[in-house]
Amino acid sequence: QSVLTQPPSVSAAPGQKVTISCSGSSSNIGNNYVSWYQQLPGTAPKLLIYENNKRPSGIPDRFSGSKSGTSATLGITGLQTGDEADYYCGTWDSSLSAGWVFGGGTKLTVL
Amino acid sequence: QVQLQESGPGLVKPSETLSLTCTVSGASVSSGRYYCSWIRQPPGKGLEWIGYIYVSGSTNYNPSLKSRVTISVDTSKNQFSLKLSSVTAADTALYYCARGSWYWGGLNWFDPWGQGTLVTVSS
Repeated sequence: QSVLTQPPSVSAAPGQKVTISCSGSSSNIGNNYVSWYQQLPGTAPKLLIYENNKRPSGIPDRFSGSKSGTSATLGITGLQTGDEADYYCGTWDSSLSAGWVFGGGTKLTVL
Repeated sequence: QVQLQESGPGLVKPSETLSLTCTVSGASVSSGRYYCSWIRQPPGKGLEWIGYIYVSGSTNYNPSLKSRVTISVDTSKNQFSLKLSSVTAADTALYYCARGSWYWGGLNWFDPWGQGTLVTVSS
C-alpha cells in the first residue's frame, strides 16, 4: 500500500479534461514539493510537473499541477489518445524514516 | 543532454546479490548538483524508490530495503551502482536509474530516467 493515494484509473473522451488526485499527509505533500510522472506503455517514466505546478521544457501547457494542503492534483486538458498512460505523483516524506514516496499510479484511458 | 543507461545481469539466483550500474553521459556525477537515484517497478505494478547517493558519498535508502541495499559512485567512470543482497522473487522488477534534484527540504524531482533494465530473480 502506497504512502500517497491515487485513484487506480480515470477515463475521459478525447478533447475533454481530466484530473488525477494524489492524497498524502503533513509529513509528505503537506510540507514538500510534489512532482508528477507520465509513463507511456513500455517506456520509462518522464517528469511531467515539478515543484507542484511547474512544467519542464517541452511539456505542453495542457498539463498542469496544483497543491492544496496535503493533496495534489494533476490536470490534463484537450485529451489526446497519446495521453493514455500511467501517471504517478511523488514527493519527499520528512517523517523519521525520511525518503521519497510515490503514489500507486493512475491509469488514464482516453475513450 | 543528460542521458542515463542501466546495465547488468538480467537474471539473478535467489539469495544472491543483484548488481547494476548506471552510466551517465552529458553531465558529471561529481558536479555536485544531482543525487544519483535508483527506482524499481515490479511487473505490472507501481514505482518504488530504492535510494540515492550524493557525490560526497552520502546515501539515503528506502527503510524497507535498507538492510540489503548499497549504492556507490565511481566518479572516474561517471557511473553509480546498485547492489541488492539476498534477493528473492519479490525483487524481480524493472530497475531504473535517475538523476534526482535536491532542495532544502529533500529530494525534489527525478529527471531524466534511464530506459530501465529488467532483472528476474529465479533459479
